[in-house]
Amino acid sequence: KAGVTQTPRYLIKTRGQQVTLSCSPISGHRSVSWYQQTPGQGLQFLFEYFSETQRNKGNFPGRFSGRQFSNSRSEMNVSTLELGDSALYLCASRELEDEQFFGPGTRLTVL
Amino acid sequence: GENVGLHLPTLSVQEGDNSIINCAYSNSASDYFIWYKQESGKGPQFIIDIRSNMDKRQGQRVTVLLNKTVKHLSLQIAATQPGDSAVYFCAETYTDKLIFGTGTRLQVFP
Repeated sequence: KAGVTQTPRYLIKTRGQQVTLSCSPISGHRSVSWYQQTPGQGLQFLFEYFSETQRNKGNFPGRFSGRQFSNSRSEMNVSTLELGDSALYLCASRELEDEQFFGPGTRLTVL
Repeated sequence: GENVGLHLPTLSVQEGDNSIINCAYSNSASDYFIWYKQESGKGPQFIIDIRSNMDKRQGQRVTVLLNKTVKHLSLQIAATQPGDSAVYFCAETYTDKLIFGTGTRLQVFP
């Protein structure tokens, strides 16, 4: 099976712009979770989607949103980008209650 | 790599020695714990997990110990190899969310 894939791998944006990141889970996995990884805050949970519904949410502002499609692929969107949004955004997929498999991440730089 | 710049605690071990990486978790109600390994340029990779009804679990070359009394997890790697060099994170499941620790960088020298 192919692993979790994320696109793009690298992205540069400027403050105030918005960005959409994409994640394709492992075939058969219906749950997709998103995480933000920064040097200062480490790995932090953003949200989890299961069967197109948001199942759980972390403590991030409303500028961070996501969705999941019927084929389990997921996107996350960040609007009105701030410098502090520069991070590695990781996506993980699983079949519920099983271990999570992470993708390689999207490195977002906000200038 | 993604972890450059992170001011992580670092454990340096000689190849062939055993490594012990420690982690303090936050929530006494957490019931599931996982160790992840993250190499430069990659996402975290599952190593081993343990549920709160156990205090020890062994895998291939790795052992996880759980002490619920003091909310402490440890990862033991036997016969550490250069390929074990990475950042290691513990994670706890609390209110169905995965909460990660800050991580420890393991450096293996010949």
